[in-house]
Amino acid sequence: KAGVTQTPRYLIKTRGQQVTLSCSPISGHRSVSWYQQTPGQGLQFLFEYFSETQRNKGNFPGRFSGRQFSNSRSEMNVSTLELGDSALYLCASSWAPGGRMNTEAFFGQGTRLTVV
Amino acid sequence: DQQVKQNSPSLSVQEGRISILNCDYTNSMFDYFLWYKKYPAEGPTFLISISSIKDKNEDGRFTVFLNKSAKHLSLHIVPSQPGDSAVYFCAATSGANNLFFGTGTRLTVIP
Repeated sequence: KAGVTQTPRYLIKTRGQQVTLSCSPISGHRSVSWYQQTPGQGLQFLFEYFSETQRNKGNFPGRFSGRQFSNSRSEMNVSTLELGDSALYLCASSWAPGGRMNTEAFFGQGTRLTVV
Repeated sequence: DQQVKQNSPSLSVQEGRISILNCDYTNSMFDYFLWYKKYPAEGPTFLISISSIKDKNEDGRFTVFLNKSAKHLSLHIVPSQPGDSAVYFCAATSGANNLFFGTGTRLTVIP
């Protein structure tokens, strides 16, 4: 079956702009989590959605937001971009929410965002 | 506050020898631990996990050890192969909460 699809793969934006990233989970998976990966910080949890509801949220400013649609596809939005937002953004899908079930979580290839 | 720490950013090991990757955590509520492997330009893939009720879990060449009193876990790869060269992340969770990841260790297996 098709894996987790993230679009776009690469993105260059200017400070102050806003950006929307997309994640299509594996068919049948209803949970989508988003992570930010930066050198030296590892994978930082952004938020998790299940059945269109945000279940958990990490320690990120309100400029970072997300949503999930009825078909389980998810988007994350970053407004007023800062240079420090440059990172690899990864989404993971699983059939159920919660970290424990992430043994069955599958990650997408990520979106590389560069803010200039 | 980094609740899961991997203090070695990189590790080089000769092919055929043992690779030992270490991970420390601070949150005593964590009760489930996982290791993920990540190749360049790919997302992380699940490798092996361990519940806090165990102190060892083995899967082929990969073994994870958990020392709850020291809040420490390690991943052993024996024997190491060049294809094991990747970044390894440890992660921890409790209950139905999200995963907390470490900063990763880049393993290079030298042929």
